[in-house]
Amino acid sequence: DSGVTQTPKHLITATGQRVTLRCSPRSGDLSVYWYQQSLDQGLQFLIQYYNGEERAKGNILERFSAQQFPDLHSELNLSSLELGDSALYFCASSVVRPGREDGYTFGSGTRLTVV
Amino acid sequence: GQQLNQSPQSMFIQEGEDVSMNCTSSSIFNTWLWYKQDPGEGPVLLIALYKAGELTSNGRLTAQFGITRKDSFLNISASIPSDVGIYFCAGHGSGNTGKLIFGQGTTLQVKP
Repeated sequence: DSGVTQTPKHLITATGQRVTLRCSPRSGDLSVYWYQQSLDQGLQFLIQYYNGEERAKGNILERFSAQQFPDLHSELNLSSLELGDSALYFCASSVVRPGREDGYTFGSGTRLTVV
Repeated sequence: GQQLNQSPQSMFIQEGEDVSMNCTSSSIFNTWLWYKQDPGEGPVLLIALYKAGELTSNGRLTAQFGITRKDSFLNISASIPSDVGIYFCAGHGSGNTGKLIFGQGTTLQVKP
């Protein structure tokens, strides 16, 4: 157990629907990162939050949004889902401040299948 | 944007063999990290490198931060079946907020 908890582990939904993925970071970690892993695309950075504030955005679609709550858990909202959104979505957390270079701790991921 | 080129894409080796994989970038990175991902799990940090030229070992794993700061390699000695998985290089470039950029991964298969 890495200490980063992601729920649900699996999600199957239809095109056009909206889903919410949840992440609880490791205790003490203030930064949360979301990554998308498609079959042939590696790990694509979506968005980063630090202590409740958005700090960096990657290749995140406008249909996707995220937030980090006061208790530091984070949610990734995916709407108007398309078949191509099927992927593994990982959350990671780190203790250090943005700009300090360190490794992340990853959760086990949520596997989203859009049918 | 910054990208990492990781090679080889996949490897199929015999148990006991040594393995080498590397990552290159066209731009400078301040930190290099190597992760392993087992099926159905998130990546797990293996080795972190913070200084150009740094050589760090973790058991049978050895990684180096290239002198130019644009490359890194990972060696696995005397491979065993549990080394199977996807290995990712990752790095923090300059001027970003801490986000990690990942290579495309090297899939390693070990034949007993």
